[in-house]
Amino acid sequence: ETGVTQSPTHLIKTRGQQVTLRCSSQSGHNTVSWYQQALGQGPQFIFQYYREEENGRGNFPPRFSGLQFPNYSSELNVNALELDDSALYLCASSQIDNEQFFGPGTRLTVL
Amino acid sequence: ELKVEQNPLFLSMQEGKNYTIYCNYSTTSDRLYWYRQDPGKSLESLFVLLSNGAVKQEGRLMASLDTKARLSTLHITAAVHDLSATYFCAVDPNLNAGKSTFGDGTTLTVKP
Repeated sequence: ETGVTQSPTHLIKTRGQQVTLRCSSQSGHNTVSWYQQALGQGPQFIFQYYREEENGRGNFPPRFSGLQFPNYSSELNVNALELDDSALYLCASSQIDNEQFFGPGTRLTVL
Repeated sequence: ELKVEQNPLFLSMQEGKNYTIYCNYSTTSDRLYWYRQDPGKSLESLFVLLSNGAVKQEGRLMASLDTKARLSTLHITAAVHDLSATYFCAVDPNLNAGKSTFGDGTTLTVKP
C-alpha cells in the first residue's frame, strides 16, 4: 500500500509568482485535505476535496485554489504569492469521514 | 468558530519524569487526534479518540478524551530523550472529518 506523496519537496518562488503543489492520495482514499503550517505554528486547514469537488474551505483567500482528479490526486495552486505564504504545505488523504493520513509536505519559500 | 488550546506550549523535563499535556476545545466534536512532529518533518499520527472516556496507550504515551469537559490529555510516563518533539492535538468539527483545527503545539524537550 502506497502512502500519501507530495511534490516537490522544496520550492523557492518570488513575490507575485504562481505555484502549483501536488499530492497523490493513499490507495483507496477518495478525499484530500490541504493544510498550511507556518513556522512555529500548528497547521491551518485550507480546503478539502471529495470526488473532485471542493468540500469545505478554511479562512484562506480565493488566490488559494485546488483541483482533484479522477484518480483522487490533487493540486494546490497559489496565485500572486506573498511573503507570508512561506510555509510547509501538507496534504492529507482519507476515506470520507475517516481518519486522515498526512504526506511528507512541501516547503515553500517566497522571497 | 472552533478553537483548540494546548498547554503548556513549551515543556522541558528530565528523563524518567512524568508529565501531562492538556488540550481544550470549544465546541462539540466527532474526533480528536494527537500528532507528533519532528523538526522539518510531517505529522505522525499517534492517537485517534472517538468517544467520551476513550483512552489509548502506546509505549510511554497515553491519551484520553472527556467530551463533556471538551478536554483531552496526553500523559507521558518516564520520559526518554527520543520523545523530544512537538505534539499537536487536532479536532474535527461534527460531521466535518478531515477539516481539522489544530492547537499551537507543545514543544517537548527531554533532558538527560
